[in-house]
Amino acid sequence: DQQVKQNSPSLSVQEGRISILNCDYTNSMFDYFLWYKKYPAEGPTFLISISSIKDKNEDGRFTVFLNKSAKHLSLHIVPSQPGDSAVYFCAASLIGNAGNMLTFGGGTRLMVKP
Amino acid sequence: DAGITQSPRHKVTETGTPVTLRCHQTENHRYMYWYRQDPGHGLRLIHYSYGVKDTDKGEVSDGYSVSRSKTEDFLLTLESATSSQTSVYFCAISARGEKLFFGSGTQLSVL
Repeated sequence: DQQVKQNSPSLSVQEGRISILNCDYTNSMFDYFLWYKKYPAEGPTFLISISSIKDKNEDGRFTVFLNKSAKHLSLHIVPSQPGDSAVYFCAASLIGNAGNMLTFGGGTRLMVKP
Repeated sequence: DAGITQSPRHKVTETGTPVTLRCHQTENHRYMYWYRQDPGHGLRLIHYSYGVKDTDKGEVSDGYSVSRSKTEDFLLTLESATSSQTSVYFCAISARGEKLFFGSGTQLSVL
C-alpha cells in the first residue's frame, strides 16, 4: 500500500500560468516533505522542502503548501516556464537511525507549453 | 552537484546472470541508498547503508544484496538477474540531513 500518492500522472499548463502539483500521504509520522524534479536520463534533483511544523515554504517561483489535517501537500509553480517541463516527485521523510528514509510518490509529468 | 558516480550507466544482461552496480561518492557522506525507478511506482528503496559494513533492507530488497567496504563505495548485486529487475537504478547519498542527492542512474535491461 503506497504511503505517498500522486494521483495525477500528468499535467499540461500554458507558459506563464500556475502549475499545481498535488500529493497525498497516509502516515502521520512523516516529519519532512520534499519535492524532487527529474529530467530524462538524469537523476532526481532536490527542489524544495517543508518541515511538518510549517504550512508553507517559498523559494522563488516555487511554493510548497502542507495541510497536515488533510495529509496533503502541493507544489505551486508561478509563473510556469517551458524549462519546468519534467517529472516531479513528492517524497516524505522519517529521519531515524538509518538517516533519511524517503518514501516517494509515483511522480507527475509536467508539460509547460510555450 | 554532489560527487556521485554510478557505473555502468547502461547494462544489458541475460536472465540468470549476476550483475553488480557500483556507486562511488567523493563527499564522505555517511548514508548511502539504492533506489529503483519504475513507471507508476516512483522511486522505491532497495537497500541502504548507515556506515561501513552497516547495511539494511528497504522496501523492495528481495533478489538484491549490497556491500559497503569503504565509505565512498556502495555496491548493489543482483545474484541471478530476472526480467522483473529491468529498471533504472539510482544511488543516493546523505550527510544525515533531510535532503538526498542522487546519481545519474544506471539503466539495466534483463533479457
